[in-house]
Amino acid sequence: QLQLQESGPGLVKPSETLSLTCSVSGASISSSTYFWGGIRQPPGKGPEWIGSIYYSGRAYYNPSLKSRVTVSVDTSKNQFSLNLSSVTAADTAVYYCARQTHDYGDPPAAFDIWGQGTMLTVSS
Amino acid sequence: EIVMTQSPATLSVSPGERATLSCRASQSVSSNVAWYQQKLGQAPRLLIYGASSRATGIPARFSGSGSGTEFTLTISSLQSEDFAVYYCHQYNNWPPTSTFGQGTKVEIK
Repeated sequence: QLQLQESGPGLVKPSETLSLTCSVSGASISSSTYFWGGIRQPPGKGPEWIGSIYYSGRAYYNPSLKSRVTVSVDTSKNQFSLNLSSVTAADTAVYYCARQTHDYGDPPAAFDIWGQGTMLTVSS
Repeated sequence: EIVMTQSPATLSVSPGERATLSCRASQSVSSNVAWYQQKLGQAPRLLIYGASSRATGIPARFSGSGSGTEFTLTISSLQSEDFAVYYCHQYNNWPPTSTFGQGTKVEIK
């Protein structure tokens, strides 16, 4: 059974870089039929897509975050990572990792499996 | 950026009644819409993808419809476990982007 597990620092200082690692278990991240995505949700608000990556390294980003976000994949460790630079209090949220379905020739689609999420707070 | 607008913000429904949730896209997204259910302290759960296809294990009382800019999630007979927040999500073709609605809370009347 596929599971995703997020790991992060919990607390990040303003202007620093937030790093989130998503570990995939129960299936290979190198599957051709899935992308792997990061989504965040500020307290009391709706989800916000951050970016998605394919096992080959092809990545797509939310235009509003693109200048600060990097998503990378490590197939040998079966995990992917998300870095968000120059953080402010507005980046405080629960951060989720999720699997995103993908048919050949089509763009990434729905998020069908999610991790439990991890709270990341930006504060000095 | 494509904006997804959900209505109403809160829907008060009695158990056993029908609930109809709406989602409007700021431009056409074809049928590239999914719906999720989220309970307090939990991650969202996929209910519907491709505007009308139920995800694995989702009960038949959940149904989705629509295309273009107008989408609907219907829960035919609300059960106690269905009281939650529901989000729509569009996944546009090109460039690949994803945006979520602000959510509709379904509460007990």
